[in-house]
Amino acid sequence: NAGVMQNPRHLVRRRGQEARLRCSPMKGHSHVYWYRQLPEEGLKFMVYLQKENIIDESGMPKERFSAEFPKEGPSILRIQQVVRGDSAAYFCASSPRDYRGVTEAFFGQGTRLTVV
Amino acid sequence: AQTVTQSQPEMSVQEAETVTLSCTYDTSESDYYLFWYKQPPSRQMILVIRQEAYKQQNATENRFSVNFQKAAKSFSLKISDSQLGDAAMYFCAYRNYGGSQGNLIFGKGTKLSVKP
Repeated sequence: NAGVMQNPRHLVRRRGQEARLRCSPMKGHSHVYWYRQLPEEGLKFMVYLQKENIIDESGMPKERFSAEFPKEGPSILRIQQVVRGDSAAYFCASSPRDYRGVTEAFFGQGTRLTVV
Repeated sequence: AQTVTQSQPEMSVQEAETVTLSCTYDTSESDYYLFWYKQPPSRQMILVIRQEAYKQQNATENRFSVNFQKAAKSFSLKISDSQLGDAAMYFCAYRNYGGSQGNLIFGKGTKLSVKP
């Protein structure tokens, strides 16, 4: 059973370009979460998605950032017109369901985005 | 809003010795979960240990144990018989009881070095 798969592991973009980060959740998981980790910082929650629905986007910047989790295929975090401040590691996590149990979310290895 | 504070940016321990990493948090909730995650240079986020706030007994996982002081809102991690492979960033995290598994609040982390 493969873990959470993120690609690419490293992504370099010039200022003004678009960045697309992909996340394939663990098999059987239908909930996906995106986090951003700035240098020397902890992970910050960005968005929580279920298939075809955004459940909580309270941590998403209002502009240039969007996320989707289509019925088929991976979840995509898209950053338009990237700026140097977007340079960070972006993590995806997945979980099988959302209930009040202790089942934790499982993290991918992250995508390191560098904006030059 | 909940917050998590790790006051030790860096810690060092001799191999085979014991080290304690500190974490405090702030919440008005009575039911919640607390976690310690390990992030080695590979960037993979690995769950080390979890604690349910309603449980008085401190969680233990092999060489890892916590000291959970609910009234003081303190959640420290003790690593016994430290090994070279324990060297990593350690993040303390909080989640509301009713929250989704992936909506975590992280501290800024403590970088642990293990000396041979």
